[in-house]
Parts: sequence; C-alpha cells; structure tokens
Amino acid sequence: SQKIEQNSEALNIQEGKTATLTCNYTNYSPAYLQWYRQDPGRGPVFLLLIRENEKEKRKERLKVTFDTTLKQSLFHITASQPADSATYLCALDMSGSARQLTFGSGTQLTVLP
Amino acid sequence: DAGVIQSPRHEVTEMGQEVTLRCKPISGHDYLFWYRQTMMRGLELLIYFNNNVPIDDSGMPEDRFSAKMPNASFSTLKIQPSEPRDSAVYFCASGTSVSGETQYFGPGTRLLVL
Repeated sequence: SQKIEQNSEALNIQEGKTATLTCNYTNYSPAYLQWYRQDPGRGPVFLLLIRENEKEKRKERLKVTFDTTLKQSLFHITASQPADSATYLCALDMSGSARQLTFGSGTQLTVLP
Repeated sequence: DAGVIQSPRHEVTEMGQEVTLRCKPISGHDYLFWYRQTMMRGLELLIYFNNNVPIDDSGMPEDRFSAKMPNASFSTLKIQPSEPRDSAVYFCASGTSVSGETQYFGPGTRLLVL
C-alpha cells in the first residue's frame, strides 16, 4: 500500500543550527511533493513545492530536495530560530489527480534558545 | 483577502446529534477540500470539490457524513448522527487551478462529541 513516513515524531535542535527533516514514501512516483508548517491550534500553511524534475528548491532559509530514486525528500531550515518551532508536514499527490494530497504524520520541531 | 473562513471554531455536542460545519473558501478559488485531523490518523482528506462539483468522496468515512457546495463561496460538512469517534479537528482548504497545487487551509473546527 502507499505510505508516507516522516522521520522522528519530534526533533530538538539548538538555535542557529540547521534542522533537517525527512519524508519517505513508498509504492508511488508523485509528480510533486509539498511541505507545510502547522502551529498548535491552526491550519497547515504551505511552504514549498518541489516537482519530480527538480532536485532542489530554496526559499529564504528553507531548502527542499527531492530524490525520486530514493523516494525521499529532505527539508532543511538553516540558521534555525525559536520561531521555527512547529510541526512540519510533507504531502504528496498519491492518486494521480494532482489535487488529492496525502499527508505524512508530521515532525514536531523545537528550536531551543 | 480574509483567507478561508470556517465556523464554528469549536463545537461540543452529544452523541446522536446532527453537526454542521461551514466553510467559505478564498474568493476566486475553484477547488475546495475537507480534511479531518486526529492524533491517531493524522490529516486525512475526506472530500474535494472542483467548481462546486464533488470530485472524490472516497475519504468520507461512512454514510453519516455528507458534504455540499451549493455555490462557489460556501460549503458544508454534515455529520448525522454524530458519534464520539467523530471527535477531531475538521479543516477546510481551498485552491486554484491557476496558481497550481497549493492548498490554503482555514483555522479548523474543533469538534467534540460526548
């Protein structure tokens, strides 16, 4: 069956370090992958989308890589800040419809001052 | 733009009662999605609409759940009768075919069925 796995449920890092979150998927070749941020009590907020023909995408301190051979995406936050503390969700279209997102369970990131 | 608007933000009801959740998508968006989020199952897509037409409702858990979109600016998700296992946060999201696959989520409705 199709599956999305995000590495550890929780990740603690020191302020200023680079946080790296992992998203692995099986049994599918998605056309794109998205990353969202979710704060407690709020809805997910879109951060980045990377397509299957793109190896890397950047936005300010964020960087996403997409390895379709390994079926893995890495999400990096450089120079992390306490304000980056949140749950980060990866999402894939696993239906081929280009609209039906399947979300991973999320990684809760805490950046310690 | 005000973003996606959901009401109510919190709902507490008793088992067997009817629950109606409401959503106003971002103006001009032609896709609307209903999700449910629980600790056990994470964020799950229930149903989505394109141009007010339901496209896929395979995520709707059972016949007790129904969703409608009578016009481009309003959608409802109804649960009748409600059960304690329906307790979750329900999110509405909207998107546009012009800007791509990004989805914009509302603040959610936290439902507790006693």
